[in-house]
Amino acid sequence: RKEVEQDPGPFNVPEGATVAFNCTYSNSASQSFFWYRQDCRKEPKLLMSVYSSGNEDGRFTAQLNRASQYISLLIRDSKLSDSATYLCVVNSAPFSGGYNKLIFGAGTRLAVHP
Amino acid sequence: EAGVTQFPSHSVIEKGQTVTLRCDPISGHDNLYWYRRVMGKEIKFLLHFVKESKQDESGMPNNRFLAERTGGTYSTLKVQPAELEDSGVYFCASSQEPPLAGVWNEQFFGPGTRLTVL
Repeated sequence: RKEVEQDPGPFNVPEGATVAFNCTYSNSASQSFFWYRQDCRKEPKLLMSVYSSGNEDGRFTAQLNRASQYISLLIRDSKLSDSATYLCVVNSAPFSGGYNKLIFGAGTRLAVHP
Repeated sequence: EAGVTQFPSHSVIEKGQTVTLRCDPISGHDNLYWYRRVMGKEIKFLLHFVKESKQDESGMPNNRFLAERTGGTYSTLKVQPAELEDSGVYFCASSQEPPLAGVWNEQFFGPGTRLTVL
């Protein structure tokens, strides 16, 4: 079983649509959670961290459910520029010899069309 | 401020040859990480340096891979001899030293080196 699982997509949505991505992780001791964005043939870039209380950054909302080991990302009012691969990322458990090691999901591809 | 840089951006070599990838982290970042994405798979951790010391090399696939960070600045990752399955994109990332153990600092990624082994 993969440590971080995501629906690979692709999600094809029109501009203005709302789209939700889901992710599950297997290590219940994981401490930190993130969504990264990766454009084609580019490096991953941090989109937002995910907190238990949920957090919002403009059109983006992230949620974490520790009991279900589930992370989500909601994008409202999709723009053409949102087209990218969204990576669910988990920080490995602390004090395990590599507490800053990032564990990536395979990514969910989003294509926003006019 | 300059970001993480990697060299070369692309490398095409034949099976059995040697390749050395270089990463220059953001100035002042003590933590340096190597990750790899092979075709169709997720990005996977290879190893983590704190300054010049290897903190965690649990992701290194085998002894054909050698990473160094002499002087605690730039790092090199050498693959010798390269095999077909080593093809992929090698990313380097760096982050500041966190103020407290267990506190996470953002990792900034370089543009990657695309390695093709023929």
